[in-house]
Amino acid sequence: QKEVEQNSGPLSVPEGAIASLNCTYSDRGSQSFFWYRQYSGKSPELIMSIYSNGDKEDGRFTAQLNKASQYVSLLIRDSQPSDSATYLCATRMDSSYKLIFGSGTRLLVRP
Amino acid sequence: EPEVTQTPSHQVTQMGQEVILRCVPISNHLYFYWYRQILGQKVEFLVSFYNNEISEKSEIFDDQFSVERPDGSNFTLKIRSTKLEDSAMYFCASSEYPTETNEKLFFGSGTQLSVL
Repeated sequence: QKEVEQNSGPLSVPEGAIASLNCTYSDRGSQSFFWYRQYSGKSPELIMSIYSNGDKEDGRFTAQLNKASQYVSLLIRDSQPSDSATYLCATRMDSSYKLIFGSGTRLLVRP
Repeated sequence: EPEVTQTPSHQVTQMGQEVILRCVPISNHLYFYWYRQILGQKVEFLVSFYNNEISEKSEIFDDQFSVERPDGSNFTLKIRSTKLEDSAMYFCASSEYPTETNEKLFFGSGTQLSVL
């Protein structure tokens, strides 16, 4: 069974702090990794994708991938109250187009 | 930015009834998907559709489910005989041919299905 695991949270950080969100996956065949943001009652919105080991930065967001440890993380710098949402980690295997989602980590950014 | 459109936003139906959820994917996209999310649970893959046929489906997508692209623009999900456990938010999504530099799934705003 292919699983993506996330701590459900909530992760509470003060405004301006760094929020660190983590995800592990079970299937070593996973090739593509994604972080989606989902506001309550809304659809998922892609924030970052990452394919190679190491870091990938986009604005305030940094995704980190370690395939040996089967671990993906998302750092949000200078967190804002508008970042308060559920962050979904997702993976895709090379042989498939479907995304496998984790259950999400709820982030609360306190003003 | 172009968007995926879903109708209706809410659908209430009686158990055993048929429902059709409708989606208009982004016009130049080639891959179409249905996902669902039961309240408080994970987003779950149902089916992917490419070149007018199902390319992949999950265990959830049994004989009660079907998809169709009837006219080159709409993409529909039909549930033949709804069950209480079909109550969920159903998301349509579309993408261009996924490559490492172009792998973005665009989700519609969802149809909240309530089966009574």
